[in-house]
Amino acid sequence: DTTVKQNPRYKLARVGKPVNLICSQTMNHDTMYWYQKKPNQAPKLLLFYYDKILNREADTFEKFQSSRPNNSFCSLYIGSAGLEYSAMYLCASSRGQGAGNTLYFGEGSRLIVV
Amino acid sequence: GDSVTQTEGLVTLTEGLPVMLNCTYQSTYSPFLFWYVQHLNEAPKLLLKSFTDNKRPEHQGFHATLHKSSSSFHLQKSSAQLSDSALYYCALRNYGSSGNKLIFGIGTLLSVKP
Repeated sequence: DTTVKQNPRYKLARVGKPVNLICSQTMNHDTMYWYQKKPNQAPKLLLFYYDKILNREADTFEKFQSSRPNNSFCSLYIGSAGLEYSAMYLCASSRGQGAGNTLYFGEGSRLIVV
Repeated sequence: GDSVTQTEGLVTLTEGLPVMLNCTYQSTYSPFLFWYVQHLNEAPKLLLKSFTDNKRPEHQGFHATLHKSSSSFHLQKSSAQLSDSALYYCALRNYGSSGNKLIFGIGTLLSVKP
C-alpha cells in the first residue's frame, strides 16, 4: 500500500481564522513533507519532518507550523489565514532522505481563503 | 540556486502522435532528475527517475535520457494515448543540497485528443 491520505480535501476558511490540514501514511516512512502549489507556479517545499525533527524553509518559517505526533501522521497549521494562503497543499512521504528516493504524494488539500 | 525549466503551459496532441515534453535544469551539483505525473483529481506519482548520464529509463511507454552536457531530461513517448492526458512535472534533487529537497518545474499539461 503506497497511499498517502490528506484531510480535508477541500477547505474554505475566513481571513484571520486558523486552518489545520492533516496527512497520514501507512508505509512507515520516516520523512514527511508539505508542499504548497499555486496556479502557474511550481510546487514549493514548505517544511519536512525527518523522524521527529522539523525542518522549515527559511522564507516560510513563520507562516506555517507543523506537528508529527507519531510516525504516520503529520499536520500543517496556519494560525491566521490570509488570502495569500489560498493554494493546493500537497503532503508527501519517503523512506529516508536520499536524493534518489521516491516521494509518495497525497491527492492534496485545496484551501480557499475568503 | 537549483532550478528546473519545463515546456510551459498546455501541450495538445492528437492520439497516436509522439510526445516530447522538455525539461532543462540548473544545478551546482550532479542531481537526480525525476518526472512525476498527476492525473486529474489524483496524487502526483513517480513516472521516471535518473542519475546516470546518457541512460534511458522507461516506464509505461515513456522514456527520458539524462544528458548532463546539456542539463536536459526531456520526456518522450512514441505514440500518445488518451490516458496520457495529465500534468507532468520535472523535478531535481541533489545529494548534499540544503534539505535535500525535491525542486519542481512549473509543470506541463498534456492534453491528448482523439
